[in-house]
Amino acid sequence: QSALTQPASVSGSPGQSITISCTGTSSDIGGYNYVSWYQQHPGKAPKLIIFEVGNRPSGVSSRFSGSKSGNTASLTISGLQAEDEADYYCSSYTGSSTNWVFGGGTKVTVL
Amino acid sequence: EVQLLESGGGLVQPGGSLRLSCAASGFTFSTYGMSWVRQTPGKGLEWVSVISDSGVTAYAESVKDRFTVSRDNSKNTVYLQMNGLRAEDTAVYYCAKLTWNSGRIFDSWGQGTLVTVSS
Repeated sequence: QSALTQPASVSGSPGQSITISCTGTSSDIGGYNYVSWYQQHPGKAPKLIIFEVGNRPSGVSSRFSGSKSGNTASLTISGLQAEDEADYYCSSYTGSSTNWVFGGGTKVTVL
Repeated sequence: EVQLLESGGGLVQPGGSLRLSCAASGFTFSTYGMSWVRQTPGKGLEWVSVISDSGVTAYAESVKDRFTVSRDNSKNTVYLQMNGLRAEDTAVYYCAKLTWNSGRIFDSWGQGTLVTVSS
């Protein structure tokens, strides 16, 4: 069982917006603005797409956005495209001996 | 361009040992922390260990006292020595570059190396 809780799957049609939630505790998501999101296509390494809750690395599409409220972080993908079909993982730094925790991953399907 | 290339994975019996290596290029290796993250087949990600630019280390409880992370800045390489391997250590092991000052993030990942622990 992962430390952070994500829905197992989310789906949407091309052009739609979807949101993936990531629920933790006050010891991780709620306690730090060190929430990041990673995209992973099958057989590939994870790729950083959001850091510090809502910042995008250079080169990542503006269709990806992140936010946080209390102990829950969210990733929104707007204008859904076929290439967005992948697994998405949230992560939070904890500042404790655990250091980093991940969510169990959400499979995004483009219908 | 940042490149991370893991090696050393393979099939090992329970109780055995393996040493993973991760060769880095495209950035000033000695000034960054490096981490190992594993992914069990068909499942999620789990942070395993970290070594800072100054050599300070930390481990997940599940591997503490069995795994040891180290680095050789002259070779731009980070290592993970895994002893007392268990079936539950079976996973793809990724090394990742850690950027501490911008969100404690893993901003580059290698392609991973598969470790299978089985008799």
